[in-house]
Amino acid sequence: KQEVTQIPAALSVPEGENLVLNCSFTDSAIYNLQWFRQDPGKGLTSLLLIQSSQREQTSGRLNASLDKSSGRSTLYIAASQPGDSATYLCAVKGTYKYIFGTGTRLKVLA
Amino acid sequence: DGGITQSPKYLFRKEGQNVTLSCEQNLNHDAMYWYRQDPGQGLRLIYYSQIVNDFQKGDIAEGYSVSREKKESFPLTVTSAQKNPTAFYLCASSRLARGEGETQYFGPGTRLLVL
Repeated sequence: KQEVTQIPAALSVPEGENLVLNCSFTDSAIYNLQWFRQDPGKGLTSLLLIQSSQREQTSGRLNASLDKSSGRSTLYIAASQPGDSATYLCAVKGTYKYIFGTGTRLKVLA
Repeated sequence: DGGITQSPKYLFRKEGQNVTLSCEQNLNHDAMYWYRQDPGQGLRLIYYSQIVNDFQKGDIAEGYSVSREKKESFPLTVTSAQKNPTAFYLCASSRLARGEGETQYFGPGTRLLVL
């Protein structure tokens, strides 16, 4: 059974720092991995999708990598800003279903 | 403006009552999903539908029911059999259920509270 773990559960950093969020999964047979952002009381917004054949994807200050063989993905956020404060969730896709991690709650201090 | 709408934003349920959460999308997506989110936990899949008139149970389907009579609509009913319904409910859609390149898009959510 696929399990997805995100470490750390919470993170607080000063503005301007570069930071890395981690996501690990137990079954490497995935179709893709997606990173989402969730603001308090809101739905999820897709940040990046990495297909199983890809190693990384970039969007602005965000870079996500995928290592299927080791069951790991990282989300790199460059030059963090207070507006980046949110919960970040990763999800891996099987044949039809997505399995979500519990998220990393990020707070960027001004 | 394409997207997913969920209503109501807040819903209150009395004991023994069935309640229905609405989810509508105008993205022309075939696949739709319902998730439940509890505090400090990730999303858990309740039901999903790959196409009109077809749906499959997810990991926590007990106490819930769905229908998919139209492509754009996927309502979720929380029945009286669901003993712990208090949670944040999220609806999502993707162009197809299968395939590696399909991004999931989410609605704004409905918070269900028990009176």
